[in-house]
Amino acid sequence: DAMVIQNPRYQVTQFGKPVTLSCSQTLNHNVMYWYQQKSSQAPKLLFHYYDKDFNNEADTPDNFQSRRPNTSFCFLDIRSPGLGDAAMYLCATSSLQPGSYNEQFFGPGTRLTVL
Amino acid sequence: KNQVEQSPQSLIILEGKNCTLQCNYTVSPFSNLRWYKQDTGRGPVSLTIMTFSENTKSNGRYTATLDADTKQSSLHITASQLSDSASYICVVGTSGTYKYIFGTGTRLKVLA
Repeated sequence: DAMVIQNPRYQVTQFGKPVTLSCSQTLNHNVMYWYQQKSSQAPKLLFHYYDKDFNNEADTPDNFQSRRPNTSFCFLDIRSPGLGDAAMYLCATSSLQPGSYNEQFFGPGTRLTVL
Repeated sequence: KNQVEQSPQSLIILEGKNCTLQCNYTVSPFSNLRWYKQDTGRGPVSLTIMTFSENTKSNGRYTATLDADTKQSSLHITASQLSDSASYICVVGTSGTYKYIFGTGTRLKVLA
């Protein structure tokens, strides 16, 4: 089935130790997003790619970086995780095809724990 | 400022009962509105999506309504089941951008 896949589902890292979260999609969507969601809060957009064009939210910390080597894959790099970065990280995709609902499809998320 | 507000913040109902969740938005330019269900520790799953010209859409026991004039939407859940326990998030898409405005969700708990 076409879907958005995130790996790993659970990630534990140490304070300050770089970590990379992975997202892949089989939907061939041109837009990919990374969200951070903390407990009982709405997802917060970190950045998104429209094709290869990277769009950073103004309040996304420099500690967060992203790469999209091709249409299918997108990575979230956290260079020096702090305790405040512990959260669920959600990857999503959408398509901007004419006539579409521009619907957003989410992956299952990666739960990041920082020790 | 683009905002999406949901009410109630949390809700507890008995299995088999109906309930209605509310969503008010001030998003411009409006493109579409969708309701998601998010189980604890999982990514959101789409329930319904509506554009400006649609005022109701059903997905099984879930029925969403949209009043674009008053900028209000509701999600009605019929004959609730224990598996309906989750957060329900209202999300509004904007025209001309790739961004979506999220509500903070309603946490629904269905009790046996």
